[in-house]
This record gives sequence, C-alpha cells and structure tokens, in this order.
Amino acid sequence: QKEVEQNSGPLSVPEGAIASLNCTYSDRGSQSFFWYRQYSGKSPELIMFIYSNGDKEDGRFTAQLNKASQYVSLLIRDSQPSDSATYLCAVNSGNTGKLIFGQGTTLQVKP
Amino acid sequence: GAVVSQHPSWVICKSGTSVKIECRSLDFQATTMFWYRQFPKQSLMLMATSNEGSKATYEQGVEKDKFLINHASLTLSTLTVTSAHPEDSSFYICSARDRGTTQYFGPGTRLLVL
Repeated sequence: QKEVEQNSGPLSVPEGAIASLNCTYSDRGSQSFFWYRQYSGKSPELIMFIYSNGDKEDGRFTAQLNKASQYVSLLIRDSQPSDSATYLCAVNSGNTGKLIFGQGTTLQVKP
Repeated sequence: GAVVSQHPSWVICKSGTSVKIECRSLDFQATTMFWYRQFPKQSLMLMATSNEGSKATYEQGVEKDKFLINHASLTLSTLTVTSAHPEDSSFYICSARDRGTTQYFGPGTRLLVL
C-alpha cells in the first residue's frame, strides 16, 4: 500500500468552478501536510501547509485535514486556466523529516 | 522569503564527465537540504538528505559514490554526479527545510548526458 495516495486524474473542471483534490495517507503519526503545485517542466511550488484538523484558507485555496480519516484535501475556488498543473500532496514523515509525496493529480481547467 | 536557488539550470555534458550542481537557500538558514530526481511523467524521487556538517543520508538504491553530496554551510549544498552516463539524464531538484518541517524547492537543474 502506498504511503500517500492521490488520484492521478486528469481532473477536468470548467473555468470558475471549484476544483477538489484529495489525498489519503497511511502513517497515523504524521503531523504536517503540504500541497505543492508543479507546472510542466518546473519544480514544485508550495501552496499551503496544514497541521491541525479542520480548514485552512488562503485566498482561493482551502486545505482540509481530517486526521481521524487520514485524509487531506485541497479546494481551489474560481478555478482559472493558470491553475492547470499537477498538484502534489506531501506528508511529513515525523521521525525522519522527509516528505512522502503522492503521485500527484493533474488538474485541467478549461476556459 | 524562503527562496532557494540552483545553479546551473541546464547542463549538457559528455559521458564520463562529472557535473556539480549547487543549491542555495537565499534568505534563510537550512540545516537540512534534500536532493530529488524526477524523470518525465514521474513523481519526485528522493535521492538523499543532506545535513550541514555531516555526511548525507542516501535512499536505498542511490549510489553514494556516484552522487556526492556536500553540505558545507547552512546555505549551500552541492550534488556532484560523477562519471555521468546517459541514464543519469534527469531533472535534479533540491529543497531546503526551514526551522520547521516545510521544504522549499529550488528551480531544478536539467542534466543531459550525451
């Protein structure tokens, strides 16, 4: 079983819609969770991090964490074509400091 | 804040030569840096963890004698690909960790070995 799982997609949404990206993880001891965006040919860019159960909002982005269900999600409101990218979910491996990455979900926002 | 640079951004070299890639944290000190490799259409693969002033910790299957890592200061880590071969051609990305657990990525270095 993969440690961090994401649906590879592609997830296609129309411009202006809400894009919902999901991620599950296996290590119950994980304490910090990250969402990175990676455009084709570029390196990952940090979008948000979340440590506590509940929602965390930053502009058009909302991260949601449910530790009991071992579930992290990222909502993108008012999706724009420029949001089209691969979104990587990453979970901190507590005792090593390493990030465990999911395979990424490709998001396509169509004009 | 939290800017990480890499140099060079592109390198083309002949088979058998060595290539050095630099990773710098520009506005924060990073006791720990990480080196990743990414092949086309694949996810990031962690190669090694670099700690300032100590030996790097390599992931299983990564040859430490081929991928030499030096982390001599709190803002600089280097990766040297020794005796590079075409199969080493890839996108090499470093990240630097701040005081917490957040990793910030450099822009990456594309290596093409002919």
